Amino acid sequence: KQEVTQIPAALSVPEGENLVLNCSFTDSAIYNLQWFRQDPGKGLTSLLLIQSSQREQTSGRLNASLDKSSGRSTLYIAASQPGDSATYLCAVKGLTNAGKSTFGDGTTLTVKP
Amino acid sequence: GAGVSQSPRYKVAKRGQDVALRCDPISGHVSLFWYQQALGQGPEFLTYFQNEAQLDKSGLPSDRFFAERPEGSVSTLKIQRTQQEDSAVYLCASSLARTGDTEAFFGQGTRLTVV
Repeated sequence: KQEVTQIPAALSVPEGENLVLNCSFTDSAIYNLQWFRQDPGKGLTSLLLIQSSQREQTSGRLNASLDKSSGRSTLYIAASQPGDSATYLCAVKGLTNAGKSTFGDGTTLTVKP
Repeated sequence: GAGVSQSPRYKVAKRGQDVALRCDPISGHVSLFWYQQALGQGPEFLTYFQNEAQLDKSGLPSDRFFAERPEGSVSTLKIQRTQQEDSAVYLCASSLARTGDTEAFFGQGTRLTVV
């Protein structure tokens, strides 16, 4: 059974700092890994999707990497802003059941002005 | 519409009442997913449709939960005889392709509170 862990559970940084969020998964037989952002009381907003054959994806100040063999992904946020404050979730889609994504419990980020 | 739409946004149900939650996926999206999210946790998979076919319902917590997508577009998640432990946010997502390699887009969710 796939298990996804996100560490730390919460992170507080001053504005302008670069930061890294971590996601680890137990079964490396994955289709893809997707990073989401969730604001309080809202749904999930897709940030980046990395296919199993890819090593990283970039969008603006965000960069996500994937090391499938070690079961790890990182989300790098450059020059953080207060508007980046949210919960960040990673989700892994397995090869054996492509209809299902397994989520971590998220990292809640607070960027202080 | 431009995105995945869910209704109602909020639902308060008395214990024992039946509820129906609606999901309108992005037009043309083949795959549709339902997730349940408890406070402070990540979403948990409930069920998955490819067009009108329900391919996986392994995440449905009990036989009180039922989902359908009769015409391969709009989907309804029905919960019978609601219990307090059913209180959660129910998220719907859709993706374009049958295969697992396309991006999933989520709706705003329906927050269900059972009193």
